[in-house]
Amino acid sequence: DAGITQSPRHKVTETGTPVTLRCHQTENHRYMYWYRQDPGHGLRLIHYSYGVKDTDKGEVSDGYSVSRSKTEDFLLTLESATSSQTSVYFCAISGEMNTEAFFGQGTRLTVV
Amino acid sequence: QQQVKQSPQSLIVQKGGISIINCAYENTAFDYFPWYQQFPGKGPALLIAIRPDVSEKKEGRFTISFNKSAKQFSLHIMDSQPGDSATYFCAASIRGSTLGRLYFGRGTQLTVWP
Repeated sequence: DAGITQSPRHKVTETGTPVTLRCHQTENHRYMYWYRQDPGHGLRLIHYSYGVKDTDKGEVSDGYSVSRSKTEDFLLTLESATSSQTSVYFCAISGEMNTEAFFGQGTRLTVV
Repeated sequence: QQQVKQSPQSLIVQKGGISIINCAYENTAFDYFPWYQQFPGKGPALLIAIRPDVSEKKEGRFTISFNKSAKQFSLHIMDSQPGDSATYFCAASIRGSTLGRLYFGRGTQLTVWP
Protein backbone atom coordinates (compact mmCIF):
# COMPACT_ATOMS: atom_id res chain seq x y z
CA ASP A 1 0.00 0.00 0.00
CA ALA A 2 2.66 2.48 -1.10
CA GLY A 3 4.24 2.66 2.36
CA ILE A 4 1.38 4.28 4.24
CA THR A 5 0.41 3.17 7.71
CA GLN A 6 -2.59 4.48 9.59
CA SER A 7 -3.06 3.98 13.29
CA PRO A 8 -5.17 2.96 14.98
CA ARG A 9 -7.20 0.94 12.47
CA HIS A 10 -10.27 0.94 14.68
CA LYS A 11 -11.26 3.13 17.58
CA VAL A 12 -14.33 3.65 19.70
CA THR A 13 -14.40 6.79 21.78
CA GLU A 14 -16.86 8.78 23.83
CA THR A 15 -18.39 12.11 22.88
CA GLY A 16 -16.28 15.00 24.09
CA THR A 17 -12.98 13.17 24.28
CA PRO A 18 -9.96 14.15 22.19
CA VAL A 19 -8.81 11.71 19.52
CA THR A 20 -5.65 11.67 17.41
CA LEU A 21 -5.22 9.61 14.29
CA ARG A 22 -1.78 9.04 12.86
CA CYS A 23 -0.60 8.65 9.29
CA HIS A 24 2.96 7.52 8.66
CA GLN A 25 4.57 7.27 5.22
CA THR A 26 7.87 5.84 4.08
CA GLU A 27 7.73 7.28 0.53
CA ASN A 28 9.11 10.74 1.35
CA HIS A 29 6.18 12.28 -0.54
CA ARG A 30 5.63 15.99 -0.07
CA TYR A 31 1.85 16.06 0.01
CA MET A 32 -0.35 14.37 2.58
CA TYR A 33 -4.13 14.43 2.95
CA TRP A 34 -6.84 13.42 5.38
CA TYR A 35 -10.22 12.39 3.97
CA ARG A 36 -13.34 11.10 5.58
CA GLN A 37 -15.63 8.65 3.85
CA ASP A 38 -19.32 8.46 4.63
CA PRO A 39 -22.10 6.59 2.81
CA GLY A 40 -23.60 8.76 0.10
CA HIS A 41 -20.90 11.40 0.38
CA GLY A 42 -17.88 9.76 -1.16
CA LEU A 43 -14.51 11.05 -0.02
CA ARG A 44 -14.33 14.53 1.43
CA LEU A 45 -11.10 16.37 2.15
CA ILE A 46 -10.58 17.45 5.76
CA HIS A 47 -7.07 18.94 5.72
CA TYR A 48 -3.96 18.60 3.64
CA SER A 49 -0.28 19.35 3.96
CA TYR A 50 2.18 20.53 1.34
CA GLY A 51 5.27 20.33 3.52
CA VAL A 52 6.51 20.18 7.08
CA LYS A 53 4.44 22.61 9.14
CA ASP A 54 2.53 23.69 6.00
CA THR A 55 -1.12 22.74 6.15
CA ASP A 56 -4.42 23.99 4.82
CA LYS A 57 -8.10 23.33 5.25
CA GLY A 58 -10.24 21.15 3.06
CA GLU A 59 -13.99 21.24 2.59
CA VAL A 60 -14.99 19.65 5.92
CA SER A 61 -12.36 20.99 8.35
CA ASP A 62 -14.61 22.19 11.19
CA GLY A 63 -13.86 20.27 14.39
CA TYR A 64 -10.53 18.95 13.12
CA SER A 65 -6.94 20.09 13.39
CA VAL A 66 -3.75 18.69 11.91
CA SER A 67 -0.04 18.83 12.47
CA ARG A 68 2.98 17.80 10.47
CA SER A 69 6.29 18.13 12.31
CA LYS A 70 8.11 15.58 10.12
CA THR A 71 7.81 14.68 6.45
CA GLU A 72 6.68 11.17 7.30
CA ASP A 73 3.98 11.90 9.87
CA PHE A 74 0.63 13.67 9.52
CA LEU A 75 -1.63 13.77 12.56
CA LEU A 76 -5.36 14.42 12.58
CA THR A 77 -6.88 15.54 15.89
CA LEU A 78 -10.50 15.75 16.91
CA GLU A 79 -10.32 18.11 19.84
CA SER A 80 -13.71 17.09 21.23
CA ALA A 81 -15.24 14.19 19.33
CA THR A 82 -18.89 14.33 18.33
CA SER A 83 -21.18 11.62 16.95
CA SER A 84 -21.16 13.36 13.55
CA GLN A 85 -17.45 12.54 13.32
CA THR A 86 -18.16 8.82 13.28
CA SER A 87 -16.65 7.87 9.95
CA VAL A 88 -13.90 6.06 8.14
CA TYR A 89 -10.81 8.24 7.85
CA PHE A 90 -8.27 7.83 5.08
CA CYS A 91 -4.83 9.27 4.79
CA ALA A 92 -3.38 9.76 1.33
CA ILE A 93 -0.03 10.85 -0.06
CA SER A 94 1.17 12.14 -3.39
CA GLY A 95 4.44 13.25 -4.86
CA GLU A 96 2.81 16.03 -6.84
CA MET A 97 -0.19 18.00 -5.73
CA ASN A 98 -3.47 16.57 -6.90
CA THR A 99 -2.12 13.86 -9.14
CA GLU A 100 -1.74 10.22 -8.28
CA ALA A 101 -2.69 9.82 -4.65
CA PHE A 102 -2.00 6.65 -2.67
CA PHE A 103 -4.38 5.83 0.14
CA GLY A 104 -3.85 4.09 3.45
CA GLN A 105 -6.06 1.30 4.76
CA GLY A 106 -8.29 3.61 6.73
CA THR A 107 -9.26 4.13 10.36
CA ARG A 108 -12.80 3.34 11.42
CA LEU A 109 -13.75 5.77 14.18
CA THR A 110 -16.93 5.40 16.18
CA VAL A 111 -17.99 8.15 18.57
CA VAL A 112 -20.58 7.00 21.11
CA GLN B 1 -21.83 22.55 -4.30
CA GLN B 2 -20.69 19.21 -5.57
CA GLN B 3 -17.83 19.67 -7.99
CA VAL B 4 -18.07 16.23 -9.56
CA LYS B 5 -21.36 14.42 -10.04
CA GLN B 6 -21.29 10.66 -10.50
CA SER B 7 -23.96 8.24 -11.65
CA PRO B 8 -25.35 5.72 -11.14
CA GLN B 9 -25.09 5.21 -7.40
CA SER B 10 -25.23 1.46 -7.87
CA LEU B 11 -24.88 -0.83 -10.86
CA ILE B 12 -25.54 -4.52 -11.36
CA VAL B 13 -24.02 -6.19 -14.40
CA GLN B 14 -23.86 -9.77 -15.55
CA LYS B 15 -20.49 -11.41 -15.99
CA GLY B 16 -19.13 -10.63 -19.42
CA GLY B 17 -21.19 -7.47 -19.78
CA ILE B 18 -20.09 -3.86 -20.03
CA SER B 19 -20.18 -1.64 -16.97
CA ILE B 20 -20.49 2.09 -17.59
CA ILE B 21 -20.12 4.78 -14.93
CA ASN B 22 -20.54 8.44 -15.76
CA CYS B 23 -19.22 11.65 -14.23
CA ALA B 24 -19.80 15.30 -14.96
CA TYR B 25 -17.95 18.40 -13.78
CA GLU B 26 -18.39 22.16 -13.94
CA ASN B 27 -14.95 23.66 -13.38
CA THR B 28 -13.25 23.99 -16.78
CA ALA B 29 -9.90 24.45 -15.01
CA PHE B 30 -9.83 20.77 -14.04
CA ASP B 31 -7.09 19.02 -15.98
CA TYR B 32 -6.70 15.64 -14.32
CA PHE B 33 -9.44 13.03 -14.10
CA PRO B 34 -8.63 9.81 -12.22
CA TRP B 35 -10.78 6.84 -11.38
CA TYR B 36 -10.30 4.97 -8.12
CA GLN B 37 -11.38 1.45 -7.22
CA GLN B 38 -12.15 0.48 -3.65
CA PHE B 39 -12.75 -2.97 -2.22
CA PRO B 40 -14.50 -3.41 1.16
CA GLY B 41 -12.19 -2.68 4.07
CA LYS B 42 -9.50 -1.22 1.83
CA GLY B 43 -8.44 2.24 0.80
CA PRO B 44 -9.17 3.52 -2.72
CA ALA B 45 -6.56 2.62 -5.33
CA LEU B 46 -5.88 4.46 -8.56
CA LEU B 47 -7.30 2.51 -11.48
CA ILE B 48 -6.79 4.74 -14.49
CA ALA B 49 -6.53 8.46 -15.19
CA ILE B 50 -6.86 10.81 -18.14
CA ARG B 51 -5.86 14.35 -19.02
CA PRO B 52 -8.08 16.52 -21.25
CA ASP B 53 -5.76 16.53 -24.25
CA VAL B 54 -6.99 13.04 -25.22
CA SER B 55 -10.52 11.72 -25.68
CA GLU B 56 -9.91 8.14 -24.64
CA LYS B 57 -7.48 6.07 -22.63
CA LYS B 58 -7.50 2.32 -22.42
CA GLU B 59 -5.77 0.01 -19.98
CA GLY B 60 -6.72 -3.61 -20.38
CA ARG B 61 -10.47 -3.96 -19.89
CA PHE B 62 -10.79 -0.44 -18.48
CA THR B 63 -11.38 2.58 -20.71
CA ILE B 64 -11.94 6.24 -19.88
CA SER B 65 -13.87 8.27 -22.42
CA PHE B 66 -13.55 12.04 -22.10
CA ASN B 67 -15.81 14.67 -23.65
CA LYS B 68 -14.33 18.08 -22.98
CA SER B 69 -17.12 20.10 -24.59
CA ALA B 70 -19.78 18.31 -22.55
CA LYS B 71 -17.61 18.33 -19.43
CA GLN B 72 -18.21 14.63 -18.96
CA PHE B 73 -16.08 11.54 -18.60
CA SER B 74 -16.94 7.93 -18.13
CA LEU B 75 -15.42 4.61 -17.15
CA HIS B 76 -16.17 1.54 -19.25
CA ILE B 77 -15.34 -1.90 -17.94
CA MET B 78 -15.43 -4.45 -20.74
CA ASP B 79 -16.04 -8.14 -20.09
CA SER B 80 -16.95 -7.37 -16.47
CA GLN B 81 -15.88 -10.01 -13.96
CA PRO B 82 -17.05 -10.82 -10.41
CA GLY B 83 -13.64 -9.64 -9.21
CA ASP B 84 -14.51 -6.17 -10.52
CA SER B 85 -17.23 -5.88 -7.89
CA ALA B 86 -16.17 -2.83 -5.91
CA THR B 87 -16.95 0.83 -5.39
CA TYR B 88 -15.66 3.16 -8.08
CA PHE B 89 -14.96 6.85 -7.60
CA CYS B 90 -14.30 9.43 -10.25
CA ALA B 91 -12.37 12.53 -9.33
CA ALA B 92 -11.08 15.75 -10.81
CA SER B 93 -8.39 18.24 -9.94
CA ILE B 94 -6.12 21.00 -11.16
CA ARG B 95 -2.66 19.48 -11.31
CA GLY B 96 0.05 21.20 -9.35
CA SER B 97 -2.21 23.84 -7.88
CA THR B 98 -1.89 24.49 -4.17
CA LEU B 99 -5.36 25.97 -4.31
CA GLY B 100 -6.83 22.87 -5.88
CA ARG B 101 -7.56 19.43 -4.52
CA LEU B 102 -8.92 16.11 -5.66
CA TYR B 103 -12.69 16.40 -5.82
CA PHE B 104 -14.40 13.04 -5.67
CA GLY B 105 -17.77 11.89 -6.94
CA ARG B 106 -19.96 10.08 -4.46
CA GLY B 107 -19.12 6.63 -5.77
CA THR B 108 -20.75 3.80 -7.67
CA GLN B 109 -21.14 0.39 -6.12
CA LEU B 110 -20.66 -2.16 -8.90
CA THR B 111 -21.85 -5.74 -8.51
CA VAL B 112 -21.00 -8.25 -11.21
CA TRP B 113 -23.12 -11.40 -11.11
CA PRO B 114 -21.35 -14.65 -12.01
